[in-house]
Amino acid sequence: GDSVTQMEGPVTLSEEAFLTINCTYTATGYPSLFWYVQYPGEGLQLLLKATKADDKGSNKGFEATYRKETTSFHLEKGSVQVSDSAVYFCALSSANAGKSTFGDGTTLTVKP
Amino acid sequence: DTGVSQNPRHKITKRGQNVTFRCDPISEHNRLYWYRQTLGQGPEFLTYFQNEAQLEKSRLLSDRFSAERPKGSFSTLEIQRTEQGDSAMYLCASSPLPDGFSYNEQFFGPGTRLTVL
Repeated sequence: GDSVTQMEGPVTLSEEAFLTINCTYTATGYPSLFWYVQYPGEGLQLLLKATKADDKGSNKGFEATYRKETTSFHLEKGSVQVSDSAVYFCALSSANAGKSTFGDGTTLTVKP
Repeated sequence: DTGVSQNPRHKITKRGQNVTFRCDPISEHNRLYWYRQTLGQGPEFLTYFQNEAQLEKSRLLSDRFSAERPKGSFSTLEIQRTEQGDSAMYLCASSPLPDGFSYNEQFFGPGTRLTVL
């Protein structure tokens, strides 16, 4: 079945540091890939998405590129802020399927 | 606010009792999903509806769990004879129907936190 593996956390960075959160997946066919973010006390919300190989999703300074050859979708940001502190979830959905499959989440803490 | 809403936000119950949660999706969304999330893990799929039809149910889902979506609007998730292992955050999400290369992006509610004593 489908699965998503995220780098284990937690991750602690200083403000303006570079962020990478690794995500690899196993899926049949050509899934759509997502990063969701959960800020403290809030629900999950979509951060960015990509639907086919080599697509780059981007939002709020975050980027991730759909790499079919390495089955990866790593999240990056060049300069993190304290307000980026949250839990980040990588997820996939097979084309036209119902459910999404999530990774276990990576907690990011950014210190001033 | 036109996002996904869930009620109650918190529920504490004693083992063996039945509980019911409600989810109101974004009004124009045809699909509605239920997930369960425990501490330190990602959301785990439970079931989903397309309009009023329940299209998929996790094989891990106990027979004590049942979900409905009458008239294709709000949904309820009932857990009968609750056990301590049912303690978790129950998340509801909704999405529009996929079209061609649709992403199946899901919009999540704030969740209902269940504590079984």
